[in-house]
Amino acid sequence: EIVLTQSPGTLSFFPGETATLSCRASQSVSSTYLAWHQQKPGQAPRLLIYGASTRATGIPDRFSGSGSGTDFTLTISRLEPDDFAVYYCQHYGRTFGPGTKVEIK
Amino acid sequence: VQLVESGGGVVQPGRSLRLSCAVSGFRFSDYGMHWVRQAPGKGLEWVGVIYSDGSKTYYADSVKGRFAISRDNSNNALYLQMHNLRADDTAVYYCARELRGPYTFDNWGQGTLVTVSS
Repeated sequence: EIVLTQSPGTLSFFPGETATLSCRASQSVSSTYLAWHQQKPGQAPRLLIYGASTRATGIPDRFSGSGSGTDFTLTISRLEPDDFAVYYCQHYGRTFGPGTKVEIK
Repeated sequence: VQLVESGGGVVQPGRSLRLSCAVSGFRFSDYGMHWVRQAPGKGLEWVGVIYSDGSKTYYADSVKGRFAISRDNSNNALYLQMHNLRADDTAVYYCARELRGPYTFDNWGQGTLVTVSS
C-alpha cells in the first residue's frame, strides 16, 4: 500500500512569494497517477495538477508540478490571496496525502 | 458539469442512510464515479468507485461490507448506500468524476454532511 507524506503540515508565506510543497511516496510510483488538489475552507476540493505536471482546465500557469519516483513538488509562484488553502497530493485516485496548509504570514 | 449530492443528515449508530449524487452537463455513462469523504477537520479519504457501466465496484477497507455504490445511468444518478453506520463515518461525503488515464478526479460535488450520533 502506497503512503503519501506531505510535510510540513503548514507553510506560511507573504503574498507574492513562491511556495514549494512536497509530496513523498512510500515507494516509487508512476507520475501518470500523481495529482494535486486544492481545497479552500468550506469548499470542495478542486483538481490542479494531474500526471504530476499537467495543469487541469482553467488552472493558471502560476501552478506547476514536477517530480518522479517518490518525490513530487507543487510550486505556486507569485502567491495571491486566493491561493491560501490546503493542498493534497493523490496517487491513483485512492490514496491522499494528509495535506499541506498554505497560510498567509 | 455539475454534481450535486443529497441525503445527508443525522443518523443513529447502527442505522442506514443512502446518499445520492445528481449529475448533469456530461455523458454520465462514460465515466467512472467515486465517493470521497472528509471527517470534520481532517483530510480526504477515498471511499469507493463504480465503473462507468456499473459492472464493478471497489471499496476502502474501512467501509467494505457496509457501504455499497450503485448508479442509474438512465437518470444520471449515483448512490452510496451506507449500513451499520458508526461514529467514525461522520464526514462530508463528496461524489467525484473520474478523469480517465490519470485516474484522478476532475470534478467534485459540493458535498453532503453525514453525522452519526445518538
